[in-house]
Amino acid sequence: AQTVTQSQPEMSVQEAETVTLSCTYDTSENNYYLFWYKQPPSRQMILVIRQEAYKQQNATENRFSVNFQKAAKSFSLKISDSQLGDTAMYFCAFMNRDDKIIFGKGTRLHILP
Amino acid sequence: DTGVSQNPRHKITKRGQNVTFRCDPISEHNRLYWYRQTLGQGPEFLTYFQNEAQLEKSRLLSDRFSAERPKGSFSTLEIQRTEQGDSAMYLCASSLLAGGGTGELFFGEGSRLTVL
Repeated sequence: AQTVTQSQPEMSVQEAETVTLSCTYDTSENNYYLFWYKQPPSRQMILVIRQEAYKQQNATENRFSVNFQKAAKSFSLKISDSQLGDTAMYFCAFMNRDDKIIFGKGTRLHILP
Repeated sequence: DTGVSQNPRHKITKRGQNVTFRCDPISEHNRLYWYRQTLGQGPEFLTYFQNEAQLEKSRLLSDRFSAERPKGSFSTLEIQRTEQGDSAMYLCASSLLAGGGTGELFFGEGSRLTVL
């Protein structure tokens, strides 16, 4: 069975700084997808960024980028020039070949003014 | 399309009562997922559907939980004989897979269950 582990329950950084959230996963599959989702306080979860395992190039979306290390089964999220609106819970997620999606326990990120 | 809709948004019930939640996904989405989320935790997988077919049900779910998607559109999640441990946010999400879908989940606002 696949598992997703986020080892940082909570983090705080100053506005405009760069922060990296960690995620590791376990799977025996070779083709899969990884995601980072954001859940702002009392709001719906939304997709931040997506990575296909067969792509070596790390995905980027504006200030958000990932460091995907397939051999190490590591998938970290880097947020550059952090903004107050980035304050949220961040969840790492894994999608297997059957399209079942499981989530990590999350990292609560506080951006401080 | 206004996105994924869940009803009711909040349900308070007494232990032992049955409750039913409804999810209306984005209309062209063929996949529908149910998750349970407790405060400060990640979404816990419950079950998912491809159109009307239920693909998998979590082994964590007892027989008191059942989900349906009868016509491949909306879905219901029923909890029978509720227990206090069932108190949680129940999240529904939909996605379009195959034919150009990206696997991105679109979430509803959730249905919060409080069992007294």
